[in-house]
Amino acid sequence: SAVISQKPSRDICQRGTSLTIQCQVDSQVTMMFWYRQQPGQSLTLIATANQGSEATYESGFVIDKFPISRPNLTFSTLTVSNMSPEDSSIYLCSVVIGTGRTFFGPGTRLTVL
Amino acid sequence: GENVEQHPSTLSVQEGDSAVIKCTYSDSASNYFPWYKQELGKRPQLIIDIRSNVGEKKDQRIAVTLNKTAKHFSLHITETQPEDSAVYFCAASQYGNKLVFGAGTILRVKS
Repeated sequence: SAVISQKPSRDICQRGTSLTIQCQVDSQVTMMFWYRQQPGQSLTLIATANQGSEATYESGFVIDKFPISRPNLTFSTLTVSNMSPEDSSIYLCSVVIGTGRTFFGPGTRLTVL
Repeated sequence: GENVEQHPSTLSVQEGDSAVIKCTYSDSASNYFPWYKQELGKRPQLIIDIRSNVGEKKDQRIAVTLNKTAKHFSLHITETQPEDSAVYFCAASQYGNKLVFGAGTILRVKS
């Protein structure tokens, strides 16, 4: 597997503000994704973080709300912009390693007041 | 796109009994089917997976079966223990690509 870290682990934010979440992997990976897990729910894919190009967003998610950067093969950021209480969720990055298996970061628990 | 349905949403079993969770998928192009276990406050953890060229895979007390024709796959846990209590998610994808998850099953093992 890979060692995946996320920062921050949790945060409490005011509505209307933005939060940037970082995801760091201990080895180079081609595929990196961002998921959202709303309270008591399953995991929903936000976007594929593409190295060196714009992220690929899933239906219902837009770049203005969730801008993503992927400057290299070990690091990505997800920003949650202009937050509202409905954005309160756990945000997880995931990577696909050489075996084709997907592993998740520890998640960022976001609460928006 | 892919759609994954998972049943049941909750499952209670006595310690030592078996538990079975079932999923169906819609996209015949999907060829990879992992299962994740998520304990409260923790990240999803990969527990077993199967590719479409295999019908069954077993790892100690956990097994997964796949029926490509019917587009369904199942997780089987035998001799359940209290530490098996968690939320289990199935997923489907084209190997190495993005995962589409089922809604999850809350498994409670009563001792």
